[in-house]
Amino acid sequence: EDQVTQSPEALRLQEGESSSLNCSYTVSGLRGLFWYRQDPGKGPEFLFTLYSAGEEKEKERLKATLTKKESFLHITAPKPEDSATYLCAVQAGDYKLSFGAGTTVTVRA
Amino acid sequence: EPEVTQTPSHQVTQMGQEVILRCVPISNHLYFYWYRQILGQKVEFLVSFYNNEISEKSEIFDDQFSVERPDGSNFTLKIRSTKLEDSAMYFCASMGDRGQQFFGPGTRLTVL
Repeated sequence: EDQVTQSPEALRLQEGESSSLNCSYTVSGLRGLFWYRQDPGKGPEFLFTLYSAGEEKEKERLKATLTKKESFLHITAPKPEDSATYLCAVQAGDYKLSFGAGTTVTVRA
Repeated sequence: EPEVTQTPSHQVTQMGQEVILRCVPISNHLYFYWYRQILGQKVEFLVSFYNNEISEKSEIFDDQFSVERPDGSNFTLKIRSTKLEDSAMYFCASMGDRGQQFFGPGTRLTVL
């Protein structure tokens, strides 16, 4: 069974204080690793897909990296609007997504 | 930019009643999904749908659940006899050609 573990559960940052979120996974036949942003009461918003170890993707203040066992989401110089829950999910051969529990990031001005 | 839409945004129902949740996937996508998220818990896969049939379903997706694509644009999830534990956010997603799944805003289902 696919397993996805995210840490930490919650992260409180000062504006401008860079940090990283971790997603470790166990999956048979990884097709892709996905990062989503979720605001309270809303649907997951697609951020990145990573397909192979060593791959990196960037979008504004966010950068995602992938190894064979884990992925990191780096937040550089965060702003209050980056406050959200960040979800990691893995996709195996059947295309369904298996999600982690998420990391809730709060950025204080 | 194309997006997945869902209606209603909030549905309140009595236990034992039938509900239908509706989704309009992105128009050129071929794979469709339903997920649910109980308050404070992980997003969980329910069912995937391709070529007018279910391609995979989870243990949660029992005989009380069904999905349908009644026309060229809508994708529906029906719960025949709702239970208290069905209260959750239900998300529809559609998948593009690189495996990327795009989610709708969700329907909050409250079963009383």
